[in-house]
Amino acid sequence: ELKVEQNPLFLSMQEGKNYTIYCNYSTTSDRLYWYRQDPGKSLESLFVLLSNGAVKQEGRLMASLDTKARLSTLHITAAVHDLSATYFCAVPEYGNKLVFGAGTILRVKS
Amino acid sequence: DTGVSQDPRHKITKRGQNVTFRCDPISEHNRLYWYRQTLGQGPEFLTYFQNEAQLEKSRLLSDRFSAERPKGSFSTLEIQRTEQGDSAMYLCAGRGSGNYDGELFFGEGSRLTVL
Repeated sequence: ELKVEQNPLFLSMQEGKNYTIYCNYSTTSDRLYWYRQDPGKSLESLFVLLSNGAVKQEGRLMASLDTKARLSTLHITAAVHDLSATYFCAVPEYGNKLVFGAGTILRVKS
Repeated sequence: DTGVSQDPRHKITKRGQNVTFRCDPISEHNRLYWYRQTLGQGPEFLTYFQNEAQLEKSRLLSDRFSAERPKGSFSTLEIQRTEQGDSAMYLCAGRGSGNYDGELFFGEGSRLTVL
């Protein structure tokens, strides 16, 4: 059974600082997805990583995938308050459904 | 806007009542997924359809839960004899037939509160 683990589960950051969220998964997969969720809202797709070594960047967020290590990172550069949200990684199981991590709650303090 | 709409957005019901949620994906979404999310947790897979065929059901989907996608367009998720443990956000997601990267597009969700 596929397990997806994120850490940290809660992250309180000062504005302007950098930090990284980690996502480990237990079985082989060549793709991984990152989503953002604001309180009371649904999930917004952030990044789709489709191969080993894939790197994608959008604004202050950069995601990467190492399929050999079964690890993805979401790096936050110079955090701003608007980035406060919960971030989920998800990995496909049997090519069909996505299995999600527990999420990382990010709070950016000014 | 993902184009996936869910109704109702909020439902409060008493224990033992039946509730039904509806999901309308866009026409390109031949695959439709239902997930459940409780507070502080990631979404948990419930079931998915390819067109009108229900191809997989999670063991989380007890016999009180039933889902349909009668014409391969909209889908319904019914919960019979609701229990307080059913309180959660029920999320619907679509995936297009031409979407080979496997990305899911989520609706706004239906929040269920069972009193």
